[in-house]
Amino acid sequence: DVKVTQSSRYLVKRTGEKVFLECVQDMDHENMFWYRQDPGLGLRLIYFSYDVKMKEKGDIPEGYSVSREKKERFSLILESASTNQTSMYLCASSTGRRIGELFFGEGSRLTVL
Amino acid sequence: GNSVTQMEGPVTLSEEAFLTINCTYTATGYPSLFWYVQYPGEGLQLLLKATKADDKGSNKGFEATYRKETTSFHLEKGSVQVSDSAVYFCALRRVSGNTPLVFGKGTRLSVIA
Repeated sequence: DVKVTQSSRYLVKRTGEKVFLECVQDMDHENMFWYRQDPGLGLRLIYFSYDVKMKEKGDIPEGYSVSREKKERFSLILESASTNQTSMYLCASSTGRRIGELFFGEGSRLTVL
Repeated sequence: GNSVTQMEGPVTLSEEAFLTINCTYTATGYPSLFWYVQYPGEGLQLLLKATKADDKGSNKGFEATYRKETTSFHLEKGSVQVSDSAVYFCALRRVSGNTPLVFGKGTRLSVIA
């Protein structure tokens, strides 16, 4: 089975802190994605990557950056966390041929105080 | 642009009731359509998909038919169980171009015994 592992299930950070959310997949998938999930807003795409060292902005990239130095790892970075970034963050991956068939991690719930 | 509209929840049903969750889409060209499910405390997982008009996707007793004439992909199940309680997301992906999924806002289903 494909496994997508997110490093932390729950994080509490202070405003202004730098936050790293790590995601690792074990099935050699080319594509990786970061979404945030908020009540009433559904899933919104932050960034995605179709290859190592490649990144594309999604619908809401402001305040975030990403890093993909290795194929299996896709990191989401909040350079200076703000309270409006309190949310559930979901990482997903897929093969190059089946971009729409995503495998998700369990999510990282971030609270910024 | 591409978008998905789902019926708002929450939807509350008794066990063995019939379920319909409406999903309509707006897209250029001929998208692929998906339903994802998120059980409590978990990430999303693919439930079913359809890639062309009149295709029917099915899994775990759930079905959805790709209706091009009504731009719809409604999710149905004949007899729901308590274990079906979850949030359901409709999504689309344009086949042309390297575009990621666009998700609806999700519909929460609660099934009571």
